[in-house]
Amino acid sequence: DTGVSQNPRHKITKRGQNVTFRCDPISEHNRLYWYRQTLGQGPEFLTYFQNEAQLEKSRLLSDRFSAERPKGSFSTLEIQRTEQGDSAMYLCASSPSPTRNTEAFFGQGTRLTVV
Amino acid sequence: GDSVTQMEGPVTLSEEAFLTINCTYTATGYPSLFWYVQYPGEGLQLLLKATKADDKGSNKGFEATYRKETTSFHLEKGSVQVSDSAVYFCALRLSNNNDMRFGAGTRLTVKP
Repeated sequence: DTGVSQNPRHKITKRGQNVTFRCDPISEHNRLYWYRQTLGQGPEFLTYFQNEAQLEKSRLLSDRFSAERPKGSFSTLEIQRTEQGDSAMYLCASSPSPTRNTEAFFGQGTRLTVV
Repeated sequence: GDSVTQMEGPVTLSEEAFLTINCTYTATGYPSLFWYVQYPGEGLQLLLKATKADDKGSNKGFEATYRKETTSFHLEKGSVQVSDSAVYFCALRLSNNNDMRFGAGTRLTVKP
């Protein structure tokens, strides 16, 4: 197992276009998280899945954002009608169980630039 | 709400200097506490963690002690190396187990 994998690593898009990112978690991890990280800030929680169920969404996740995890394995994060303020690093993480003692394992992120 | 506040950077030290990066938290219940490190061009990696009061997490010469009385989890290392240059994030895991809250990060640069 090579850890959490995210694709693409970088994405440049024009304002108003739609983009989709993919995350492949560590196998057997039933929890999958999406975070957003802007320059000089720590990761901010967006949403998480327990298997295929999306259980929580942050108020940061506007209507233009949608995330799926259809078979409880990989996940996609789509941003519609991108805006310049969406430029950020989008991080995916997974964890093996929902206990408070368990750390999250992060991918390398997808850096989005909206021009 | 639950949150983490960590020392603002950047921090610049000479090799073999002593490092402290302060972290304090606000939380309902009893969170678990974590330090993550992000090396240039890489993702966040867990550095150490502590799950209850007075626990000490340690790894690669770094240490942090969960202090409930001062709601703190300061990161320390006795002798830093150039290879420790990175951004360090303090984080807590909420008692409801659902997500992690991160501090803004502290950039450390160690000069030879």
